[in-house]
Amino acid sequence: EAGVVQSPRYKIIEKKQPVAFWCNPISGHNTLYWYRQNLGQGPELLIRYENEEAVDDSQLPKDRFSAERLKGVDSTLKIQPAELGDSAVYLCASSSTGTSGGAGEQFFGPGTRLTVL
Amino acid sequence: AQSVAQPEDQVNVAEGNPLTVKCTYSVSGNPYLFWYVQYPNRGLQFLLKYITGDNLVKGSYGFEAEFNKSQTSFHLKKPSALVSDSALYFCAVPRTTDSWGKLQFGAGTQVVVTP
Repeated sequence: EAGVVQSPRYKIIEKKQPVAFWCNPISGHNTLYWYRQNLGQGPELLIRYENEEAVDDSQLPKDRFSAERLKGVDSTLKIQPAELGDSAVYLCASSSTGTSGGAGEQFFGPGTRLTVL
Repeated sequence: AQSVAQPEDQVNVAEGNPLTVKCTYSVSGNPYLFWYVQYPNRGLQFLLKYITGDNLVKGSYGFEAEFNKSQTSFHLKKPSALVSDSALYFCAVPRTTDSWGKLQFGAGTQVVVTP
């Protein structure tokens, strides 16, 4: 079974430039998550999708961040414009259960390491 | 909001010795608790979870965790550490009781196993 796929793995951009990250979840997983992980810290949830619906985006800085999950499969996270403080690893995860009482584990992709200069 | 704390930034252990990574939690009601591991340049991998039932939970790669309600702890353990266990370990809990998917992660504990 293929895992969660993310691209690119690394991205270096200058501040004020746009950047996009792509995620393909595990086949059949209806829930998709985007996390941001700063150096030396645990991941922080940015947004969670149930199929194509964003059910939790309270932690997403909406002035510059946007995300979409068309057709409820692949997802794209965009930052425009990027700031120096956006340098981090952006992780995508998927699971087969959402808010239902299954407490299923999340499967993470390798992440995209973003450096903003 | 529910939360977890990992009191140790780093744990050093010699190969073959027992390994313990500490986690304490603060939740309302019955806790759901998770352990994840992150190897260098890779995403997090699920190790185990506590939902209900036995206080000793067995997981992947020979790891287990002991749920202790009186001490509000969920320590990760391995009887005999391997060099390949060197990684970053995260304890996690659902941030709210009505949203299992919104995990709140601890700051992480770096485990270093020396030959």
